[in-house]
Amino acid sequence: EVQLVESGGGLVQPGGSLRLSCAASGFSVNNYYISWVRQAPGKGLEWVSIIYSSGTTYYPDSVKGRFTISRDNSKNTLYLQMNSLRVEDTAVYYCARARAPGLNCGGGSCYTFDIWGQGTKVTVSS
Amino acid sequence: DFQMTQSPSSLSASVGDRVTITCRASQSISNYLNWYQQRPGKAPKLLIYVASSLQSGVPSRFSGSGSGTDFTLTISSLQPEDFATYYCQQSYSIPLTFGGGTKVEIK
Repeated sequence: EVQLVESGGGLVQPGGSLRLSCAASGFSVNNYYISWVRQAPGKGLEWVSIIYSSGTTYYPDSVKGRFTISRDNSKNTLYLQMNSLRVEDTAVYYCARARAPGLNCGGGSCYTFDIWGQGTKVTVSS
Repeated sequence: DFQMTQSPSSLSASVGDRVTITCRASQSISNYLNWYQQRPGKAPKLLIYVASSLQSGVPSRFSGSGSGTDFTLTISSLQPEDFATYYCQQSYSIPLTFGGGTKVEIK
């Protein structure tokens, strides 16, 4: 079965760090574009990062320089290292896999997410 | 950046109603537009991709249309399990952006 399972969330003080994990099964993480998307309490969805099958990464300005997405192909796992956390980073964090493998990005398929994890909750508070 | 604006932000409807949700992009995104459904406490679920293609396993009462800057998601006959929040997302370019969501509630 193709699935993603996040872990690593919790309570952290402002300025602190946290590393989230996203374990994949049923496919190889190095073949797909995979993103992290977050949702603050009662709010909408916000894209947080993406890693291409090539290893290239991108971030929105809101987290650039503070968050780092990476992967361990041997463990088939994605990570999100979050540093200098702020109260406004409080959210449920989801990892999401692109609809098509990274060599077949037609029609925006590598930015279309058909497999999502269940999410892990991060609370930044003193 | 491409800003995505959904309307309405919420609506009340009855089982069997036809429901239409609109999404507008700040610039043309061709047909690079996806729709997701999110039930409370659950992860988003892909419904429609490239504006009008139905994701495998999604009921045919869901349909999408549009291109350029204006898009619509239509539910032809609302079912009890369709009461949820719906989000559009542009897949045209980085940074990826979502609409603010439309909550569909029971009348």
